[in-house]
Amino acid sequence: DADVTQTPRNRITKTGKRIMLECSQTKGHDRMYWYRQDPGLGLRLIYYSFDVKDINKGEISDGYSVSRQAQAKFSLSLESAIPNQTALYFCATSATGGVDTQYFGPGTRLTVL
Amino acid sequence: AQSVTQLGSHVSVSEGALVLLRCNYSSSVPPYLFWYVQYPNQGLQLLLKYTSAATLVKGINGFEAEFKKSETSFHLTKPSAHMSDAAEYFCAVHSGGSNYKLTFGKGTLLTVNP
Repeated sequence: DADVTQTPRNRITKTGKRIMLECSQTKGHDRMYWYRQDPGLGLRLIYYSFDVKDINKGEISDGYSVSRQAQAKFSLSLESAIPNQTALYFCATSATGGVDTQYFGPGTRLTVL
Repeated sequence: AQSVTQLGSHVSVSEGALVLLRCNYSSSVPPYLFWYVQYPNQGLQLLLKYTSAATLVKGINGFEAEFKKSETSFHLTKPSAHMSDAAEYFCAVHSGGSNYKLTFGKGTLLTVNP
């Protein structure tokens, strides 16, 4: 089984709808991240969490919110989806401290019509 | 602040040819540097990382990268390209400290021609 899983893998929604993307990990890592990937722009950090009680905004947090329900679960919500939030979303995890590798999920492709 | 510039959004090589993907970084402190690879329809996976030990870093699948402080570069190379190397490659920088955040470059798409 994959260490970092994301659900759903693909989602099509309409403008104004609320949507939640979920991430679960079995690596036992404290740190979790949400990124957005757009063609030609690379990956941009939306939110990150260093433990269950620690949530931080990344470089593009506007229009998004997150919830860290447990060490292993980190959800990303779009309260009112808009078309320019159409993108590929990745969850990642890393161990605490140092410069540990980030481990990525398979991604969720979101389309907002 | 830290940043990464990947020169060339698309690189095309022939099978068996040298692969060279360029990455330059900006960091106010000695950086930690990474190369990640993304195969089609998959998430990113680590190829290699520089953490201030040896300046020449060897990674998976025959890739290596050399940290050159004077040039602020961390270029990725492979002597002989395989068809299976076709993917998008991302350079990333982390400037250390307790806030472990990576800043990614915009990516380079590698095409390998038969």
